[in-house]
Amino acid sequence: NAGVTQTPKFQVLKTGQSMTLQCAQDMNHEYMSWYRQDPGMGLRLIHYSVGAGITDQGEVPNGYNVSRSTTEDFPLRLLSAAPSQTSVYFCASSYSRGTMNEQFFGPGTRLTVL
Amino acid sequence: KQEVTQIPAALSVPEGENLVLNCSFTDSAIYNLQWFRQDPGKGLTSLLLIQSSQREQTSGRLNASLDKSSGRSTLYIAASQPGDSATYLCAVYMEYGNKLVFGAGTILRVKS
Repeated sequence: NAGVTQTPKFQVLKTGQSMTLQCAQDMNHEYMSWYRQDPGMGLRLIHYSVGAGITDQGEVPNGYNVSRSTTEDFPLRLLSAAPSQTSVYFCASSYSRGTMNEQFFGPGTRLTVL
Repeated sequence: KQEVTQIPAALSVPEGENLVLNCSFTDSAIYNLQWFRQDPGKGLTSLLLIQSSQREQTSGRLNASLDKSSGRSTLYIAASQPGDSATYLCAVYMEYGNKLVFGAGTILRVKS
């Protein structure tokens, strides 16, 4: 299994541009989520999905959209990039809710918005 | 609101020492607690998962304990090695909100 994969690894955008960060998992996990990691702020939840067709907002959802058309894929869209969105983005997945839901993380996408 | 605190923020020890990393949380409504390792510029690697009904978990030289009622967890690393140098993060999975809440991490340096 490849686990959780993310593309691209690095990206530089100009303010106002849009882009999609890709996330895929091959473990048949129901739960997928996006976090951002910023110095001094730790990791914070952006959006999450409990299954195909179901998404919900996390702690810091503004400026981001998600969709979940398949179990495997959970892309994160930046609609109009802003310098405040410069961060490292991690996608995570887990098998189920509850006590046994060990979270597996992808390698991250490092985004810079100029 | 759940708050997760990790102490110390940074730790430097000589090779071979046993060490303890601490994690505390304010809300005991958790499903589990997970310890991760993060190397510079890399993603998060899961080390140990402790369910809310468990007291401890062991994997090799690592032992993690959980006291849910007091809101505390410790990660014990035996016979530390330079390869253990990394940032260690603890996170609790909330019973509500479908999310992990992370601590800020402990930066560990093991000197050879």
